Amino acid sequence: NAGVMQNPRHLVRRRGQEARLRCSPMKGHSHVYWYRQLPEEGLKFMVYLQKENIIDESGMPKERFSAEFPKEGPSILRIQQVVRGDSAAYFCASSPPWTESDEQFFGPGTRLTVL
Amino acid sequence: GIQVEQSPPDLILQEGANSTLRCNFSDSVNNLQWFHQNPWGQLINLFYIPSGTKQNGRLSATTVATERYSLLYISSSQTTDSGVYFCAVEYGNKLVFGAGTILRVKS
Repeated sequence: NAGVMQNPRHLVRRRGQEARLRCSPMKGHSHVYWYRQLPEEGLKFMVYLQKENIIDESGMPKERFSAEFPKEGPSILRIQQVVRGDSAAYFCASSPPWTESDEQFFGPGTRLTVL
Repeated sequence: GIQVEQSPPDLILQEGANSTLRCNFSDSVNNLQWFHQNPWGQLINLFYIPSGTKQNGRLSATTVATERYSLLYISSSQTTDSGVYFCAVEYGNKLVFGAGTILRVKS
């Protein structure tokens, strides 16, 4: 059973470009979460999604950031017009249906560098 | 919102030594997880422990939910234990992380 998969693992963008980060949850998991880790800091929640629904986006910056989890395919975190302050590691986590457990399992992360 | 505090902030151990890491939280939580972030940045699940005690090899954890703290014990530490240890509590729909304990194990 493959773990949470994220790609790309490393992404370099110039200021003003768009960044697209992908996350495939573990098989059987229906909940996806995105977290951001700024350099030398802990992880901060961004958004929680289920298939085709954003459940909680209270941690998302109000502008330039969006997330989706379509019926088919991976979850996407999209950052438009990136700035240097967006440089960070972005982690995706997934959890099974809550009737089973609410333990979250993390992917390897995408390290975004904005030049 | 909830506050999650970890101590100590950093720790240096000689290989073979034991250690205890602490996590305090300021409100009732649904669950608590411990993670190890290795030097390559990967987050490894150590324990899912809303309450009680669990053991996995040289590691064990105890959560006392009524007193709002959890402890992670590392025995006979090895250099591969180096990295950052995070405690995270579930609050609402999300995990709230502590700032972590940086552990360095010297051979």
